[in-house]
Amino acid sequence: QKEVEQNSGPLSVPEGAIASLNCTYSDRGSQSFFWYRQYSGKSPELIMFIYSNGDKEDGRFTAQLNKASQYVSLLIRDSQPSDSATYLCAVILGGSYIPTFGRGTSLIVHP
Amino acid sequence: GAGVSQSPRYKVAKRGQDVALRCDPISGHVSLFWYQQALGQGPEFLTYFQNEAQLDKSGLPSDRFFAERPEGSVSTLKIQRTQQEDSAVYLCASREDRGRFHEQYFGPGTRLTVT
Repeated sequence: QKEVEQNSGPLSVPEGAIASLNCTYSDRGSQSFFWYRQYSGKSPELIMFIYSNGDKEDGRFTAQLNKASQYVSLLIRDSQPSDSATYLCAVILGGSYIPTFGRGTSLIVHP
Repeated sequence: GAGVSQSPRYKVAKRGQDVALRCDPISGHVSLFWYQQALGQGPEFLTYFQNEAQLDKSGLPSDRFFAERPEGSVSTLKIQRTQQEDSAVYLCASREDRGRFHEQYFGPGTRLTVT
């Protein structure tokens, strides 16, 4: 069992809809959580980070962290075709300084 | 400001050749990470530096892989006697690591193809 799990998808949503991406992690002591967007052939780009339980909003993006249930989510409101990419979840597991990545979820936003 | 840069962006090596991949982190960033990313997978950790000290090299797949950061800035990942299974994208990331925030930023990567 991987320490950071994501459904590989693809997740397909229509333009204008809300895309919901989920990530679970194994270590209850984890403190820092990140979402990266990776376009095909490009490197990961940091889009959100969250350190406390609850929601954090930035523009069309909302990160949700639930430490009791050990999951972190990314919501993308008013999805656009330009949001089509792979979304990587990264977690700094308890006792580590090093982010561990999930395999990523492919998101397709169709017009 | 300038982001993380890596060179070369693409490298084709014949099996058995040695290669050296360079990373220039964001100025002032204390921590530097190397990752390997295979197609369809997330980045896999290789090694981690804090300034010039290599604090963790547990992800290096074999003793053919070697990394250094002698002055605490630029880092080089060297792969000796390359094998076909070394073909991947090698990503470098840096992190400021001052205070409680731990955001990490990636460079564009080096795509290595071993023929």
